[in-house]
Formats: sequence, C-alpha cells, structure tokens
Amino acid sequence: RKEVEQDPGPFNVPEGATVAFNCTYSNSASQSFFWYRQDCRKEPKLLMSVYSSGNEDGRFTAQLNRASQYISLLIRDSKLSDSATYLCVEGGGGGNKLTFGTGTQLKVEL
Amino acid sequence: EPEVTQTPSHQVTQMGQEVILRCVPISNHLYFYWYRQILGQKVEFLVSFYNNEISEKSEIFDDQFSVERPDGSNFTLKIRSTKLEDSAMYFCASSAVQRNTEAFFGQGTRLTVV
Repeated sequence: RKEVEQDPGPFNVPEGATVAFNCTYSNSASQSFFWYRQDCRKEPKLLMSVYSSGNEDGRFTAQLNRASQYISLLIRDSKLSDSATYLCVEGGGGGNKLTFGTGTQLKVEL
Repeated sequence: EPEVTQTPSHQVTQMGQEVILRCVPISNHLYFYWYRQILGQKVEFLVSFYNNEISEKSEIFDDQFSVERPDGSNFTLKIRSTKLEDSAMYFCASSAVQRNTEAFFGQGTRLTVV
C-alpha cells in the first residue's frame, strides 16, 4: 500500500479558478504533514505546513482530516505562476524523514 | 534568506566510478538529509543524519552509499561504485529541530551515470 497517495493530474484550470487537491496517507500515527511545490526539474519548496486545525496562507488553505487520513490543499484565484507539481508530504519517524507523494500537476491557463 | 547549497549542479560519471556530492546545510540546522528523485518519479528518502551519525536510512541506502560531515559546514554523500540506475537528481535538505518540522531543500545535483 502506498504511504502517501495523490491523483497525479494534470489539473488544467483557467486563471482565477479555485482548485482543490486531496491526498491520503496510510500511517495513522503520523504527526506532521506538509504541502511542497515543485517546479519542473527544481527542488521541492515548502508551501505550507498542515496542522490539525487547518491553516490558511493568503490564497492557499490546507486541511487535515485525521479520521479519514487525508489532507487537502485549496488554491483560490489561481495564477499562471501557480502552475507546478504539488507534493503531499508526511513527516516524522525516528529519523525525521519526509515521505513524499507522487505529486499532483497543476496547469493554470489563460 | 539562508539556503541549502549543493555542488556540483550536474555530474556525469562512468559506471563503476565513485562520486561525492556536496552540500552546505543551513547553518543553525540540526538534521541533514539526502533524497533522490529519478526522472518522472517521486522524491525518495535516502538517509537522515543527526548529531554526527545516521539516524535513519532507507532500503535504497545500501553499502554503496555513505554520508559524512567532515567539518562544521559540509555534508557529503558518497556513492562508491555507481550504477546506471543511480542516475537521478539528488537533493540535500536540512531542518532546524528534531521532530515534526519542515525541511528545506538544496537545488539538487543531477547525477548521470553512463
């Protein structure tokens, strides 16, 4: 069973649209979750941490549902510059490792 | 803004050769990591390093791999005898505190084994 699972997409949306990604995880004991963004052939960059209470950062909102073991990312008023792959990441373990999903590709179009 | 830096950005090596990938983590960070990403695949954990020793490693991190922190700033990944399947982007990362914290990644070294 995959540890972190995401729909690979691509999601093609017009500029200004709202788009949501979901991700499921298998380890019920996981404590930390993150969304990273990865542009083509670049390093993953932290977008936001995901807390049990959920959190918002500008146009981005992340939610955690522990009962169903999924996290979500909502992007409002999408911009062309939001086009990237969004990586769902689970953190923790003895070595503090991060476990990445395969990523969801977003393409924002004019 | 502090950042993780990696050198070289691209390394081409012949199969069977040894390579050393270098990283300078963010200066006040305590945990250091190596990840790799084969083209078109997901980012995979290799190893984490804390307090001058390996704290966790994956199945990928076999005897061909080793890590070292030779001084107060550098963190290196050595692959002793490279194989074609070692071709990937290798990312170094670091994080500030022990648990449940985000990691910051370097720009990566693209390793091509021919």
